[in-house]
Amino acid sequence: DVKVTQSSRYLVKRTGEKVFLECVQDMDHENMFWYRQDPGLGLRLIYFSYDVKMKEKGDIPEGYSVSREKKERFSLILESASTNQTSMYLCASRPLGGEPYNEQFFGPGTRLTVL
Amino acid sequence: GESVGLHLPTLSVQEGDNSIINCAYSNSASDYFIWYKQESGKGPQFIIDIRSNMDKRQGQRVTVLLNKTVKHLSLQIAATQPGDSAVYFCAEKTLGGNEKLTFGTGTRLTIIP
Repeated sequence: DVKVTQSSRYLVKRTGEKVFLECVQDMDHENMFWYRQDPGLGLRLIYFSYDVKMKEKGDIPEGYSVSREKKERFSLILESASTNQTSMYLCASRPLGGEPYNEQFFGPGTRLTVL
Repeated sequence: GESVGLHLPTLSVQEGDNSIINCAYSNSASDYFIWYKQESGKGPQFIIDIRSNMDKRQGQRVTVLLNKTVKHLSLQIAATQPGDSAVYFCAEKTLGGNEKLTFGTGTRLTIIP
């Protein structure tokens, strides 16, 4: 089974802190994604990466950056956390190509609270 | 801008009955429509997808119907079970770009014993 793990289930940080959210997948997937999930807004794509050291902005990249130094690991960075970044953060991965084309494998999520 | 949305935020269904979850979309250029299920405390899990040139696709206990005329997508779950209680998201994807999925806001399905 594909396994996507996220470093923390719950995280509490203070405004202005630098926050790292880590995601690791064990299936050698090329594509990795970071979403945030908020009530009434569904999942919104922050950034994604289709290869090591490659990244593309999603729909809401402002206030975030990412790092992909190794294929299995995709990190989301909040340079200076703000209260409006309090949310559930979900990481996902999928292989390049293959059927079904649309299946992304999600981690359990990190609930981040910024005080 | 384009959006993928849902008619109803919550749905309660008697155990054993069939469930129908609806989704409206606005991007007529979408190539795929996808359903995900998210159980409490877990990440979303892929259920089924349908290509835009199809009207219907069946899986195990699930059927997805696509009506392009009215830009409407539905997920039918047969003989719902307690384990079907979850939030269901529709999503869409357009080929030729990247792997990005655009998700709707979700419908919470509650199964009544």
